[in-house]
Order: sequence, then structure tokens, then C-alpha cells
Amino acid sequence: DAGVTQSPTHLIKTRGQQVTLRCSPKSGHDTVSWYQQALGQGPQFIFQYYEEEERQRGNFPDRFSGHQFPNYSSELNVNALLLGDSALYLCASSLGGRDTGELFFGEGSRLTVL
Amino acid sequence: GNSVTQMEGPVTLSEEAFLTINCTYTATGYPSLFWYVQYPGEGLQLLLKATKADDKGSNKGFEATYRKETTSFHLEKGSVQVSDSAVYFCALKYSGAGSYQLTFGKGTKLSVIP
Repeated sequence: DAGVTQSPTHLIKTRGQQVTLRCSPKSGHDTVSWYQQALGQGPQFIFQYYEEEERQRGNFPDRFSGHQFPNYSSELNVNALLLGDSALYLCASSLGGRDTGELFFGEGSRLTVL
Repeated sequence: GNSVTQMEGPVTLSEEAFLTINCTYTATGYPSLFWYVQYPGEGLQLLLKATKADDKGSNKGFEATYRKETTSFHLEKGSVQVSDSAVYFCALKYSGAGSYQLTFGKGTKLSVIP
């Protein structure tokens, strides 16, 4: 049973560029959440997607956007990259109908902005 | 707003030592509380949870009790092993309607030496 998979695992971008990160949820899960984890910090909630719609958004600017596809996979897009966007981006999946807070995380995509 | 404060790390213990990692929280209402663990090279995974006051979560020899009067959820283990070396995150989930995010602490790195 495949867990949460994320791609790419590492990437390097320059300021002002745009990036797309991808996530496939654990089999049977229909909800995807994205978190940003800066070095030495805990994960911070970006947004959650359920039934192809953004269900809740954290305190992140509009440069951060997402999408969920009919197969429940998801993308995170970040435009106009800043140095401060360098972080590990975590995708987590869960069952949307039972909002228990029990999340299954991928290993993350490490973004470096130069 | 909601927040979680964890003891600063890193924590280094000898094998079979007793472990306590302190966690306190600030939240409105009655949140659910979690401990997540991140082993080297792996994604975060749920270690244990408690959903109401005086509940005790337990898993793999770890325990934590939801103390409403002290707003705490300290993680304990009686005898740590080298394999417990990881980063531990305390987290909460607000119980109100329409809240799907987890709020994490900064994490505590534990190293267990033989």
C-alpha cells in the first residue's frame, strides 16, 4: 500500500521564478493538506483541499495556490519566489469525512530559492 | 490564537533512560492534542493522540496525558532505545467547526546513545 508520495524531492529555483510541487495521497484518502516547514521550525499550515476545493487556508499570501484533481492528487504552486520561501514542503493526506487530525505525511519536497 | 510551546532541544539521553518532553498549549475551546514523530529520512507520523481532558494517549511505550488545568500534554517514555532517536512534534487541532489545520510546536530533537 503506497503511502503519500511527493515530487520532486529536491529543487533549486531563483527569486521571482515559479514552482509546482506534486502530491499523491495515501490509497483511499480523499483530502490533502500542505504544510511549510522552515529549518528548525514546526510545520505551518498552508491549505487543505477536499472534493477539489480549498476547504481552509492558513496565513499565507496569494502567491501560494493549489489544486486538487479528481483522483485526489494535488499540486502546490508558488509564484514570484522569495528567498524566504526556502523550506521543506510537506503534503499530508487524510479522510475528509472524519476530520480527526490524523494525517499521513510524505517525506516532503525541499525547495531552495537562490 | 492557537499555539504550542515545546521544550527546546536537542535532548541527548543514554539508552534505557527516562524521557520527558514538555508541551504546553494555548487554545480556545477544547482542542485535540497530538504527538507526531519524524524519524531520519522519513515523513512525520502520528505517535499518539488525546481528544479530551484526562485522556491518555499511548503507543510504542510512549504516553501523554491531556491536562486541561495546566494546558499541557507532556510526552514520556520509561526506557528509551537508540531507535527512538527522532524529532518529536507536539500539535493541536482546534475543535470548532470549519477548522481542519494542525498547529505544531517547533519540535524537539532526541538523540539516544548506546
